Amino acid sequence: AQTVTQSQPEMSVQEAETVTLSCTYDTSESDYYLFWYKQPPSRQMILVIRQEAYKQQNATENRFSVNFQKAAKSFSLKISDSQLGDAAMYFCAYRSTQGAQKLVFGQGTRLTINP
Amino acid sequence: DGGITQSPKYLFRKEGQNVTLSCEQNLNHDAMYWYRQDPGQGLRLIYYSQIVNDFQKGDIAEGYSVSREKKESFPLTVTSAQKNPTAFYLCASSIGWGPVDTQYFGPGTRLTVL
Repeated sequence: AQTVTQSQPEMSVQEAETVTLSCTYDTSESDYYLFWYKQPPSRQMILVIRQEAYKQQNATENRFSVNFQKAAKSFSLKISDSQLGDAAMYFCAYRSTQGAQKLVFGQGTRLTINP
Repeated sequence: DGGITQSPKYLFRKEGQNVTLSCEQNLNHDAMYWYRQDPGQGLRLIYYSQIVNDFQKGDIAEGYSVSREKKESFPLTVTSAQKNPTAFYLCASSIGWGPVDTQYFGPGTRLTVL
């Protein structure tokens, strides 16, 4: 079974600076999808960014980018020019291309933005 | 205004009672999902449905039941057999069943057993 690990329960960053959230996963599959979701205090899960495992190019969405290292099974999220609205829980998730295709989530990282 | 709605936002239940959490979507999505979130943990899949009148158990289905009689609705019943039902419940949907189909989430229901 696939597992996702986020080793940083909490992170903090100064407003306007850059922060990187770590995620590692374990799988024997070669094709899969990885996601970062944001959960603000409202608790609604919001998709931040998605990466297809077969693509070598790292995904980017405005201030959000990933560093996808397939061999190392690492998928970190970089947030540039941090804003107060970025404060939230961030979850890394894995989705297989086979079987139930459920999302497997990590434990989450709580990000605090200091003004 | 398209989206996923969940009701109620907060729900209190006495031990031994069954309760039903509502999930409705007007996105015309085929697939729907129920997840459970406990403090300090990520989300875990309870049930999912690919199409109307079909659903499958997820990782933690014991003590839960679902139905999918309409495309837009996927209610979750928490039965008295669920040993520790206090949690935050999230419903999600995706346009299709494939891995490329992004899952979008509702605002959630907080269930507390008194």
